[in-house]
Amino acid sequence: QKEVEQNSGPLSVPEGAIASLNCTYSDRGSQSFFWYRQYSGKSPELIMSIYSNGDKEDGRFTAQLNKASQYVSLLIRDSQPSDSATYLCAVNRHDYKLSFGAGTTVTVRA
Amino acid sequence: AAGVIQSPRHLIKEKRETATLKCYPIPRHDTVYWYQQGPGQDPQFLISFYEKMQSDKGSIPDRFSAQQFSDYHSELNMSSLELGDSALYFCASSLGTDTQYFGPGTRLTVL
Repeated sequence: QKEVEQNSGPLSVPEGAIASLNCTYSDRGSQSFFWYRQYSGKSPELIMSIYSNGDKEDGRFTAQLNKASQYVSLLIRDSQPSDSATYLCAVNRHDYKLSFGAGTTVTVRA
Repeated sequence: AAGVIQSPRHLIKEKRETATLKCYPIPRHDTVYWYQQGPGQDPQFLISFYEKMQSDKGSIPDRFSAQQFSDYHSELNMSSLELGDSALYFCASSLGTDTQYFGPGTRLTVL
């Protein structure tokens, strides 16, 4: 079992809708949580970081963290075709590596 | 803002050859990481360096070695290349164990 699990997708949403991405992790010692966006053949691009329980909003993106449930999510509001990509959940125990989920591929239909 | 620089961007090698990938971190970042991403897979951690010392090691084959130099750039050396080594290789950098920022990657193809 992977340390980080994501809903596998693919996830298809109409333009303007909300895309909801979920991620669970197994290591309770995890302290830092990240969402990266990756276009095909390109490098992961940081979208959000979150460190404490609750919500964190940045523009159209909202990350939610619940350490008790070992759960982190990402909401993309007003989805745009340019949001079509693979979204990687990553977890760090404040050591020197990131553990990634398998990614969720999002397609925004125009 | 300056980003992580990787070279070369593309590399084609034959089986059993060697390859060297280079990574130049964001200025003032003291930690570099190497990840390997196969087709349709998530990035797999290989190795990391903090202040020129190896800080963590993941699923890096014994055929691979890496180091971080005094100017903080890092090189990943890959020997006896196999077909299965074909992948995207990403370098990331951070300040300590803070947020990691990824370079554009090197696409290695082994024929």
